[in-house]
Amino acid sequence: SQKIEQNSEALNIQEGKTATLTCNYTNYSPAYLQWYRQDPGRGPVFLLLIRENEKEKRKERLKVTFDTTLKQSLFHITASQPADSATYLCALDFDGTASKLTFGTGTRLQVTL
Amino acid sequence: SQTIHQWPATLVQPVGSPLSLECTVEGTSNPNLYWYRQAAGRGLQLLFYSVGIGQISSEVPQNLSASRPQDRQFILSSKKLLLSDSGFYLCAWSVQKPGQGGHEQYFGPGTRLTVT
Repeated sequence: SQKIEQNSEALNIQEGKTATLTCNYTNYSPAYLQWYRQDPGRGPVFLLLIRENEKEKRKERLKVTFDTTLKQSLFHITASQPADSATYLCALDFDGTASKLTFGTGTRLQVTL
Repeated sequence: SQTIHQWPATLVQPVGSPLSLECTVEGTSNPNLYWYRQAAGRGLQLLFYSVGIGQISSEVPQNLSASRPQDRQFILSSKKLLLSDSGFYLCAWSVQKPGQGGHEQYFGPGTRLTVT
């Protein structure tokens, strides 16, 4: 079965630096890959979607890459701010028809002053 | 604009009692609907999804069931709760385009269920 791996250890970085989070998966590549942000006690919020034939997607300070050879997606936040502190989840859409997502366990990002 | 509601926000139930969690979506028609569970410190587990009224797909065999009596209403139920049913339950919706995926999901505020 498919496995999705995100670094379970928290990532601590200093304000202004670039945060890079990793999402690795096994077996076959998904049709789409999405990133979400989740704050404690709240539902996830959609950030970015990238298709299997796209290498990179950007939105403001966010950038996502998708390497189907490495079976890996990287999520970057440039000029990070304390408000970016949250758990970031990657989600893979293998089905491609009903937007049925398989989520990773998430990586907690802590941005300090 | 679209909004998604879930209730109750928190619930404490004894083992063996029934459960009913409700989710409604406003401002969209014929959405895909989803129920997830998130155990403490773990990822989101897809429990059920629905592409239309009365159409429910179960992802994980368990003592939970789901129903979609109306286009924008999704209900999660159990006849007898287990301790292992404790968790954070999230409802979500996405745009439906038959045969197409790749649409983001919009999550509700969640229900924190504690089974004692």
